[in-house]
Amino acid sequence: KQEVTQIPAALSVPEGENLVLNCSFTDSAIYNLQWFRQDPGKGLTSLLLIQSSQREQTSGRLNASLDKSSGRSTLYIAASQPGDSATYLCAVRPTSGGGADGLTFGKGTHLIIQP
Amino acid sequence: EAQVTQNPRYLITVTGKKLTVTCSQNMNHEYMSWYRQDPGLGLRQIYYSMNVEVTDKGDVPEGYKVSRKEKRNFPLILESPSPNQTSLYFCASSYKGGGTSYEQYFGPGTRLTVT
Repeated sequence: KQEVTQIPAALSVPEGENLVLNCSFTDSAIYNLQWFRQDPGKGLTSLLLIQSSQREQTSGRLNASLDKSSGRSTLYIAASQPGDSATYLCAVRPTSGGGADGLTFGKGTHLIIQP
Repeated sequence: EAQVTQNPRYLITVTGKKLTVTCSQNMNHEYMSWYRQDPGLGLRQIYYSMNVEVTDKGDVPEGYKVSRKEKRNFPLILESPSPNQTSLYFCASSYKGGGTSYEQYFGPGTRLTVT
């Protein structure tokens, strides 16, 4: 059964720093990997989606990489801002069922950016 | 605006009183899912649907029912709620095709308390 692990569970850094969030998964048979942001008491906002054939995706200050063979993904946040404070979730979709099965989520990294 | 909507957003009920949480998406997505989010356990899939009249169990289906009579709607039914179903519930939808196929879009969440 797929397991997704996110390290660290919590992170607090000063504003302006570049930082890396890590995600690992046990089964490399994935269709895609998606990074989400969740603010307290709110829903999930999709940040980046990487298909299994891709190595990375970029959106603004965010860059996500995928190494499917080693079961790892990283989310790089450049020049962090207090508004980046949130919980970041990594999720993988399996290749079984034609990609229709649900996502398996990590437990998230709770990020605090200190002003 | 493309979105997934859920109602109600907050619900407090008593054990055994049947309830329905509605979910609707306006993006013509084929796939829809329900997840629950619990502290320490993360997000887990309850049920998913690949299209109208096609549904299947996720990881934690016990105590829940779903139906997919229309493409846009995917209600979650708790026939006899129990306190262990107190949780934050999310509906999600995704589509097949294109570079971002199966990218999941989430609703804002429904916080359910069963006393």
